[in-house]
Amino acid sequence: DIQMTQAPSSLSASVGDRVTIPCRASQYINNYLNWYQQKPGKAPKLLIYAASHLQSGVPSRFSGSGSGTDFTLTISSLQPEDFATYYCQQSYSPPRTFGGGTRVEIK
Amino acid sequence: EVQLVESGGGSVQPGGSLRLSCAASGFSFSDYWMHWVRQTPGKGLMWVSRINSDGTTTSYADSVKGRFTISRDNAKNTLYLRMIRLRAEDTAVYFCVRMIRGVKPTLDWFDPWGQGTLVTVSA
Repeated sequence: DIQMTQAPSSLSASVGDRVTIPCRASQYINNYLNWYQQKPGKAPKLLIYAASHLQSGVPSRFSGSGSGTDFTLTISSLQPEDFATYYCQQSYSPPRTFGGGTRVEIK
Repeated sequence: EVQLVESGGGSVQPGGSLRLSCAASGFSFSDYWMHWVRQTPGKGLMWVSRINSDGTTTSYADSVKGRFTISRDNAKNTLYLRMIRLRAEDTAVYFCVRMIRGVKPTLDWFDPWGQGTLVTVSA
């Protein structure tokens, strides 16, 4: 199975900060990488698909980049509603696997 | 509005069984592959199973193979997960998700997710 690594597992940031969240695959996955946001007690929500495509309705301050094994989710200016946990997920090879998540906390 | 609503979770003893349901609305259910994904505090998100649009092919995670059965009723717009011989490690929130296909094989993503249903396996 392809292992997805997200480190750090948590980070602290302030409103207005630019935040970058890394994700690394254990092997080549082209651009078959998706990002989800999850708030406590809620289901994950799709933010970015195919590494860099913004899902409809998601604010443009979110962006994704990367290809191959290294990927990044960027929040250009952190807003109060963005404090949540972010997960990456690969669809290159079954089974689909998720990273362990990065929790974005208020500094 | 596209919506997925799970039900059927609960508490069960080890070795017991449950059937989860997921009612879909707001889209043409029979056109989409569907999946189950579970989440535990310790092990995060884990893909469990998937079924193709007409229900003829299925796939399972190794840890549930032989114990879980995914199925669907397109006439009722409902997805199911039958779980038998449940173990403590199956304790999780189970999410029903719709798979959206991209332009290349396996280029796909999950959207939306249901709200989840909690399964607790404990003596």
